[in-house]
Amino acid sequence: GNSVTQMEGPVTLSEEAFLTINCTYTATGYPSLFWYVQYPGEGLQLLLKATKADDKGSNKGFEATYRKETTSFHLEKGSVQVSDSAVYFCANAGGTSYGKLTFGQGTILTVHP
Amino acid sequence: DARVTQTPRHKVTEMGQEVTMRCQPILGHNTVFWYRQTMMQGLELLAYFRNRAPLDDSGMPKDRFSAEMPDATLATLKIQPSEPRDSAVYFCASGHTGQGRVDTQYFGPGTRLTVL
Repeated sequence: GNSVTQMEGPVTLSEEAFLTINCTYTATGYPSLFWYVQYPGEGLQLLLKATKADDKGSNKGFEATYRKETTSFHLEKGSVQVSDSAVYFCANAGGTSYGKLTFGQGTILTVHP
Repeated sequence: DARVTQTPRHKVTEMGQEVTMRCQPILGHNTVFWYRQTMMQGLELLAYFRNRAPLDDSGMPKDRFSAEMPDATLATLKIQPSEPRDSAVYFCASGHTGQGRVDTQYFGPGTRLTVL
């Protein structure tokens, strides 16, 4: 079946620090992979996605590369801002899931000035 | 900007009462998802529909939960009777899916349910 294992948090960083949040997955077939972000009091919103091996998704300075050989989709940002403080979810749409997403547990990121 | 809307945003009720949550998906999306989020369990998929037909509701307690799509613009999630352990944030999401195609899911703002 499909699963997502996400780096446990919380993660606390100073502004302008480098961010990595690890994510590995298992799936049937060749899944699309996603990172969603949830700001306080809001629903999840798509941050970036990748649909095939070696694809790199990017948005708002965040990047993640689909690594089939290591079944990973780690999220990175070179210089975080206070406004990046949120909960980040890795998700996997398994090859036979017909749109159903399997989410990781979420990683709380707090960025201090 | 097209958005998924959910009502009510907050609901406080007493154990045993019926609760109905509503969702209006983005026009043109063919798939609607219901999720529940709690601190302990994280984000759980309860049910989802494609073209208004239920595809999977295995995540839902069948004895008290029911989900329907009376028409393409409305999805409902009902709990009867409600229990304190149902307290959570319930999210609706919509997207366009089909065999071999997985597009982005767009989430609503959620309904925060508290059952006393």
